[in-house]
Amino acid sequence: GENVEQHPSTLSVQEGDSAVIKCTYSDSASNYFPWYKQELGKGPQLIIDIRSNVGEKKDQRIAVTLNKTAKHFSLHITETQPEDSAVYFCAADGGSQGNLIFGKGTKLSVKP
Amino acid sequence: SAVISQKPSRDICQRGTSLTIQCQVDSQVTMMFWYRQQPGQSLTLIATANQGSEATYESGFVIDKFPISRPNLTFSTLTVSNMSPEDSSIYLCSVIGGTGEAFFGQGTRLTVV
Repeated sequence: GENVEQHPSTLSVQEGDSAVIKCTYSDSASNYFPWYKQELGKGPQLIIDIRSNVGEKKDQRIAVTLNKTAKHFSLHITETQPEDSAVYFCAADGGSQGNLIFGKGTKLSVKP
Repeated sequence: SAVISQKPSRDICQRGTSLTIQCQVDSQVTMMFWYRQQPGQSLTLIATANQGSEATYESGFVIDKFPISRPNLTFSTLTVSNMSPEDSSIYLCSVIGGTGEAFFGQGTRLTVV
């Protein structure tokens, strides 16, 4: 089955700097790669996703890149702000049912 | 996007008892998913719930411990049975939206004492 590895587990940046979180996956049949932000006491919030037919997608300060050959995808946050501080999870679709396999998460801290 | 309401948002339960968690969606969806998030950990799929059929459980999860109902296309329940402190977790329901994205409820934070 699918396995998703996520790095780093913690990331601390200064406000205004960029943050990059990387994930690798094992199943070449996976086609959908979402990213979630989870704030304390809340459920995961979908912030951006990418499908296997594109290599990059951008939404304001957030971008995701996908390399299907190498089986890795990354989240890029530019001009970070303190409110970006949260735990971020990458995921990959686990099969035809629509369930997701999650990475272990990255705790991002943005220092003012 | 789909709006998902979960009840209760949190509960503290005695060991040996059971808790039923409700998940209501604002639109009809074919599949609903139940995940568990242990303290400080990632999300792990418990089961997939399709309307009109029995839930499909992932390895390590069984129906006797986590019975699921799916009476219609907008509602599902997950019961955590005969609870022990090891069941203390956040339980989340998830649905696939019309364009294929997965959305989550706010979760139910369960503490077993």
